[in-house]
Amino acid sequence: GDSVTQMEGPVTLSEEAFLTINCTYTATGYPSLFWYVQYPGEGLQLLLKATKADDKGSNKGFEATYRKETTSFHLEKGSVQVSDSAVYFCALSDRGGSEKLVFGKGMKLTVNP
Amino acid sequence: DVKVTQSSRYLVKRTGEKVFLECVQDMDHENMFWYRQDPGLGLRLIYFSYDVKMKEKGDIPEGYSVSREKKERFSLILESASTNQTSMYLCASTLNEKLFFGSGTQLSVL
Repeated sequence: GDSVTQMEGPVTLSEEAFLTINCTYTATGYPSLFWYVQYPGEGLQLLLKATKADDKGSNKGFEATYRKETTSFHLEKGSVQVSDSAVYFCALSDRGGSEKLVFGKGMKLTVNP
Repeated sequence: DVKVTQSSRYLVKRTGEKVFLECVQDMDHENMFWYRQDPGLGLRLIYFSYDVKMKEKGDIPEGYSVSREKKERFSLILESASTNQTSMYLCASTLNEKLFFGSGTQLSVL
């Protein structure tokens, strides 16, 4: 079945450092890809998405590009802030009409001032 | 603003108790989901529902059931709680592949 593999961490960075969180997927069709973020004490919220190959999703300084040839959707940010401390989940949707998402295991990021 | 509300933020129950976790959404979404979140395992789908009185098993339905009597409400039921059901439970509704999550219920089964 469909699956998502992502860096698990935890990762600790200093403010203004560069961030990359790797995510690769296995899917039989052409999934949509997502990054969700969970801030402390809150539910998950959508950070960005991409629905087809070579699409780039972006939000709040984060970016990820849908790479079909490498089945990847790596999340990047050029300069992290303390407020980016959270758990980040990569996910895919099979687009078969079910709208079910398959999630990676999540990666906890801590950014220190 | 979009809102998915889970009735309890923290719950403590005893082994063997019947437990109800309630979730309400105010967006008129047809699709609703229950996930559990465990460290090192990420989110795993328990059950989902496409419409009133309709339910489908997810990846880990054993030990759980659900109820969807009204469009806005999706309940997760633990018929006889066990310690391995101690977890964070997340409810979500979805429109156009975007999930809206509640804040979660941290359930501890003693």
